[in-house]
Amino acid sequence: ETGVTQTPRHLVMGMTNKKSLKCEQHLGHNAMYWYKQSAKKPLELMFVYNFKEQTENNSVPSRFSPECPNSSHLFLHLHTLQPEDSALYLCASSQVGAGADTGELFFGEGSRLTVL
Amino acid sequence: AQSVAQPEDQVNVAEGNPLTVKCTYSVSGNPYLFWYVQYPNRGLQFLLKYITGDNLVKGSYGFEAEFNKSQTSFHLKKPSALVSDSALYFCAVRERGDYKLSFGAGTTVTVRA
Repeated sequence: ETGVTQTPRHLVMGMTNKKSLKCEQHLGHNAMYWYKQSAKKPLELMFVYNFKEQTENNSVPSRFSPECPNSSHLFLHLHTLQPEDSALYLCASSQVGAGADTGELFFGEGSRLTVL
Repeated sequence: AQSVAQPEDQVNVAEGNPLTVKCTYSVSGNPYLFWYVQYPNRGLQFLLKYITGDNLVKGSYGFEAEFNKSQTSFHLKKPSALVSDSALYFCAVRERGDYKLSFGAGTTVTVRA
């Protein structure tokens, strides 16, 4: 098992569809993240979950809805997306807290989303 | 607020030559600094980090980086580049006490045979 697994790797959806991206980490970490990577742009932090609680929402449109049912799983629910939402969505995890707070993120392979 | 600048969009070197990818950062306090590499259609892979101690840190695949506090820099280096080092490289910074990483825009490295 790789450390952080994302499914699906590729997703094509219409603007009226509803789909979800899934992320699972096998590293025993307590924090999980969603990043958006668009061509020619820096990585954008979207959401952070720390001990299953959402601690960061970087002004992300409501058509993106995260869910973190436990410390190992993270979802990104997608609905009524726009073509400009086409990007690579990266999930990451890390261990935060006293004694382990080096902030090193472990990334999944990403989900390539295309919105038609 | 924390930020990272990678001043070069692209770096081109010949195989066997030294490779340097530049990074400067800005944080209010003491930084944690990281380098990641991304190959096409893949996620980011961790290369190395500076937390504390020796300013020269060594990482995966023969890469190293030097922390320079006075210049607020953390340049990535490899003495002899390989064609397989061609990829997108990201520098990142985190301020101690915060868990969020800020990434630079990335530098595309091309190593020609």
